[in-house]
Amino acid sequence: DAKTTQPTSMDCAEGRAANLPCNHSTISGNEYVYWYRQIHSQGPQYIIHGLKNNETNEMASLIITEDRKSSTLILPHATLRDTAVYYCIVRPRGRDDKIIFGKGTRLHILP
Amino acid sequence: DGGITQSPKYLFRKEGQNVTLSCEQNLNHDAMYWYRQDPGQGLRLIYYSQIVNDFQKGDIAEGYSVSREKKESFPLTVTSAQKNPTAFYLCASQLVGGANVLTFGAGSRLTVL
Repeated sequence: DAKTTQPTSMDCAEGRAANLPCNHSTISGNEYVYWYRQIHSQGPQYIIHGLKNNETNEMASLIITEDRKSSTLILPHATLRDTAVYYCIVRPRGRDDKIIFGKGTRLHILP
Repeated sequence: DGGITQSPKYLFRKEGQNVTLSCEQNLNHDAMYWYRQDPGQGLRLIYYSQIVNDFQKGDIAEGYSVSREKKESFPLTVTSAQKNPTAFYLCASQLVGGANVLTFGAGSRLTVL
């Protein structure tokens, strides 16, 4: 079973920040939080990952709570092209074992 | 450019036939994975391989088989024993020991007629 819980779907207005939550209350100390997204009928694409500090790259920002039990992916200025399913997964870095994806959050960007 | 190539993109088969989906990567990645996705659902792990000539079952391995004879290749065979094979199949790979980022192929859509 997936170790994360995400809302089934969310809406966001174009141009606004999209904030996608993820609950991972059973996360272990050596597990990282990874985010991927899947645009319809394509393979998932890596977005960002982090351990405990907030991270930012050209695609998004990742905010992890101090107790590491939850995180938020932030798309600062959502566009229609950001409409996709977003997956949050937790796993240890440096491991190559089975990787479990949940059902993710279906994000709709509204014009 | 490096990446993962899945073929064919679309495949139709009759019930009772085996079919093999190809997955090739030129990223020099060690680990490779096969996932199945049904409409409106998440990804479910079929098989994964961490090294040549070795592979492990995922959560839904029944009715599927794989081989890993070369580092670059991880073909998936959907056998006639798979009761509901119509689905979108995704292959992924990962460099072990790095950032553990998965790279996915574009997928293969299998339809059983």
